[in-house]
Amino acid sequence: GDSVTQMEGPVTLSEEAFLTINCTYTATGYPSLFWYVQYPGEGLQLLLKATKADDKGSNKGFEATYRKETTSFHLEKGSVQVSDSAVYFCAQRDRDDKIIFGKGTRLHILP
Amino acid sequence: GAVVSQHPSRVICKSGTSVKIECRSLDFQATTMFWYRQFPKQSLMLMATSNEGSKATYEQGVEKDKFLINHASLTLSTLTVTSAHPEDSSFYICSAGPRGVPGKYEQYFGPGTRLTVT
Repeated sequence: GDSVTQMEGPVTLSEEAFLTINCTYTATGYPSLFWYVQYPGEGLQLLLKATKADDKGSNKGFEATYRKETTSFHLEKGSVQVSDSAVYFCAQRDRDDKIIFGKGTRLHILP
Repeated sequence: GAVVSQHPSRVICKSGTSVKIECRSLDFQATTMFWYRQFPKQSLMLMATSNEGSKATYEQGVEKDKFLINHASLTLSTLTVTSAHPEDSSFYICSAGPRGVPGKYEQYFGPGTRLTVT
């Protein structure tokens, strides 16, 4: 069935470092892809999305490009901040509008 | 933007009792709401899809008689955990999307409800 696989955490980086969190998906069609973020003690928030191949989603300095050929949607940010510390979930929305999540990657940014 | 609320945010109940969790869309109507369960340091697992005015659709392995879902209006869905046991302790999250063509709307997530069964 459809699934999402993302890199295991936790990921620990120093402030201003470059961030990549890998995400790949399996799907029978062409799903919409998402990155959600969960800050400590808060609910899920949509960070960015892409609805078709080659689309690039971006928000708050984060970017991810929908790569159909590699079935990937890797999250990147050029210079992370302490405030980016959170859990990041890669997800896809299937044909029935259900959102399938990856297991989440915990990110720690050190000052 | 669209806001989804949940009540209560935290609840502690005794084993064998039932507890109801509410999910409300505050500024939009939601034909469909989704209920998820999140275990510590793990991902969200979809439990069921709640459809306004009809029965919920449960995912495989989810006991529909234990997790009762009611979607009585376009702004409210409830999840009742019946005869709760300690293994039901978890973080329950709902999501909702505005009415429209399926697949063409965003889903917005509630802040979650932490259930602890003693």
